[in-house]
Amino acid sequence: EVQLAESGGGLVQPGGSLRLSCAASGFTFSGYWMSWVRQAPGKGLEWLANVKQDGSKQYYLESLKGRFTISRDNARKSLYLQMNSLRAEDTAIYYCARGVGVKSIYFDSWGQGSLVTVSS
Amino acid sequence: DIQMTQSPSTLSASVGDSVTITCRASQNINDWLAWYQQKPGKAPKLLIYKASSVESGVPSRFSGSGSGTEFTLTISSLQPDDFATYYCQQYEFYYTFGQGTKLEIK
Repeated sequence: EVQLAESGGGLVQPGGSLRLSCAASGFTFSGYWMSWVRQAPGKGLEWLANVKQDGSKQYYLESLKGRFTISRDNARKSLYLQMNSLRAEDTAIYYCARGVGVKSIYFDSWGQGSLVTVSS
Repeated sequence: DIQMTQSPSTLSASVGDSVTITCRASQNINDWLAWYQQKPGKAPKLLIYKASSVESGVPSRFSGSGSGTEFTLTISSLQPDDFATYYCQQYEFYYTFGQGTKLEIK
């Protein structure tokens, strides 16, 4: 069974940093694109970033403007999101998701989410 | 950027009804469209990919159609478990979600 488990969320002050982790199990982690998607309280879904199977390519939502960095460690079967210069509007549940597909990927499995609250 | 617009934002229906949710893309996305179901406090669940392909394990009452810029998700014979929020998502160029459609019990 595919399982994704996020961790690392919590309360952080504006301007601070946080690193989220996503532990994968039940599938060959190194064979899949992986993504981060967030959902602000009471709002819709927003894709943030994804990373290729071998970690060689990363793509980001333009508006993140270099504040967030996605990475992975295939040996540890883990995905990461380093978030810097956090703002109140970054308050959200952060989900990791597995990407599947050939030409274009969609998200077939999601973690339970990790809540990040940016507040003083 | 590709914008996705869902309608309606809220839909009231009864168990046994058939309902349709529409999703429009701001430009041609071919059939690179997925539909997700989300219940309160839970992660999204994939229902449909490539506009009309039903994910394994998803009940056959869920179906998708469309291509280009206009797409629909139809749920036939609503069950109590189907009352949730539904999102469309394009994956033609990066990824954009619709704003969601909340399906409520009438």
